[in-house]
Order: sequence, then C-alpha cells, then structure tokens
Amino acid sequence: AQTVTQSQPEMSVQEAETVTLSCTYDTSESNYYLFWYKQPPSRQMILVIRQEAYKQQNATENRFSVNFQKAAKSFSLKISDSQLGDTAMYFCAFMEETSGSRLTFGEGTQLTVNP
Amino acid sequence: NAGVTQTPKFRVLKTGQSMTLLCAQDMNHEYMYWYRQDPGMGLRLIHYSVGEGTTAKGEVPDGYNVSRLKKQNFLLGLESAAPSQTSVYFCASSRTGFYGYTFGSGTRLTVV
Repeated sequence: AQTVTQSQPEMSVQEAETVTLSCTYDTSESNYYLFWYKQPPSRQMILVIRQEAYKQQNATENRFSVNFQKAAKSFSLKISDSQLGDTAMYFCAFMEETSGSRLTFGEGTQLTVNP
Repeated sequence: NAGVTQTPKFRVLKTGQSMTLLCAQDMNHEYMYWYRQDPGMGLRLIHYSVGEGTTAKGEVPDGYNVSRLKKQNFLLGLESAAPSQTSVYFCASSRTGFYGYTFGSGTRLTVV
C-alpha cells in the first residue's frame, strides 16, 4: 500500500522568511503525481501545487515551489516570503497513475506564520 | 459557479441513528470521493466513484454506504452511527484525478 509521511506535525516561521515542509512517500510505481494542499482555519481544502513524476523540473507557483527528489521519494514544499495568510495545515498527497485517481494524504503539517 | 456543495455543514447524531450526507457538483466531473479527516491522520478515503452508477471502497469503508444515481450527486450514508464516526467529512470531485480535486467545505459530524 502506498504511504505518505509528513514528519513535522508543527512548524513556525517569521513573516517574510522562507520555510520548507517535508514529505516522503513510498511506491513501486514509476508514474505518479504529487500534490500539496493547504487547509486554512476555514477548513476549505485548496490545491497549492502539483508535480508529475516523469517531469524532472520542479513545479513552481508564485511563492510556492517544490523540491522533488524521485530517487529519494521526497517531495518538499518551499514557501518564500511567508505571509500571515499562509498560516494553515498543509497536506502532502500522492496518486499512482493506476489507482483510479485516488489520492493518499499525509498526516499534515500545521504551519504558523508569526508577525 | 458553486463547485462542490456539501449538506449539511454540521450535524449531531445519537449512537444508532442514521443519516445521509449529500454532495453535489456542477462541473460535470466524472470522479467523486468521500474522505474523513481526523486529527493526526490526514484525510482517509471512504468510498469513491469513477462515474454515474459506479461506486468503490476506499481505505476505511466499514459502516458507510454510498450511491451515485446521478452524475452530479454522491451520497454518503451512515446506517447506524457510532462515536468512532465522529469526524469531519469531505466530498471532492475531479475531471480526472491527475489535475487535483475540487473539495467541498466539509461536514462536521458528532456522534454522541
């Protein structure tokens, strides 16, 4: 069974600084997709960024970027110039190409951005 | 442009009662999903559907049933609620899963 592990239950960062959230996963497949979702206190799940395993280039969305290390099965999220609105629970998620589009989520990392 | 709508948003049930959670999407998505979120455990898949009239079990299906009679609706039923089913339930839909899901706003269910 595929698993996703987020080893940092909580993290904090000062406003305007950079923070990196860690995620590792386990799979025997070669084609798969990785995601980071953000869940602010409103409870809404928001897609932050997406990476396809067969693309070597790391995905970037404005202040959010990933460091995808396929051999190490690692998929970390870097948030640059942190803002107060980035305070949220962040979930790493994984989908195998043969899984029928099912997402497997990690346990989550609670990020707090301090003023 | 409603996206994914879940009803109700909050509910308190007594042990043994039954209820149905409704999920509706207006994006013509083929795939729909029900997840539960518990502290420290992330989101876990209960049941999912890859098209109208189809359903399949996810990671934690016991105690739940689902139906997808219409493409836009995905219903989650609890036949006899138990305190272990106290959770936040999320519905999601996708055109194909590879582009990520659109989530509803969640239902907080408490079973006492």
